Amino acid sequence: KAGVTQTPRYLIKTRGQQVTLSCSPISGHRSVSWYQQTPGQGLQFLFEYFSETQRNKGNFPGRFSGRQFSNSRSEMNVSTLELGDSALYLCASSIGMRGLETQYFGPGTRLLVL
Amino acid sequence: AQKITQTQPGMFVQEKEAVTLDCTYDTSDPSYGLFWYKQPSSGEMIFLIYQGSYDQQNATEGRYSLNFQKARKSANLVISASQLGDSAMYFCAMREGKLTGGGNKLTFGTGTQLKVEL
Repeated sequence: KAGVTQTPRYLIKTRGQQVTLSCSPISGHRSVSWYQQTPGQGLQFLFEYFSETQRNKGNFPGRFSGRQFSNSRSEMNVSTLELGDSALYLCASSIGMRGLETQYFGPGTRLLVL
Repeated sequence: AQKITQTQPGMFVQEKEAVTLDCTYDTSDPSYGLFWYKQPSSGEMIFLIYQGSYDQQNATEGRYSLNFQKARKSANLVISASQLGDSAMYFCAMREGKLTGGGNKLTFGTGTQLKVEL
């Protein structure tokens, strides 16, 4: 079974721009979660989608948004980029039926904001 | 208060030796899960092992075992027979149960950088 895939793997943007990251979960997985990893803040939960609905949300500003499609693929969008948004963005998938399963992570997207 | 605490920023271990990575947690939810992930320098988080709060026995997965002491709120990872490929960052994480709206939200510790030496 193919693992979680994320595109693009690397991205360079400038302040004020917006960016869209994509995540394809493991086949059969319906829950997709997003995490931000920075040296200063560590790993922080952004949000979780299940069956095209946001099921959980972390403490991030409204500039961070996401969505999930009917095939369970998910996108994450960051508008009006700031220097502090430079991070590794990790996507994780799980079966999601009970919201309590193991999450499997993708390779991440490294975003650099200049 | 920190929900997940990993007090060892870095650890060294000799090849073929066993090593224990510490993790303590804090939750009032009776239903929770504890996870360990490995993150090599490439960045991908690799799932290693899971322990549920109601599991009676310590979890084991190959060379990985989880020393779960519920009363002490600790969930230490034990890696037996260390290999050079085990050199990586290791994260302890907790998922709280539905009573606290945990769902699939993981709370991570700050990680322990493990270096395996010849």
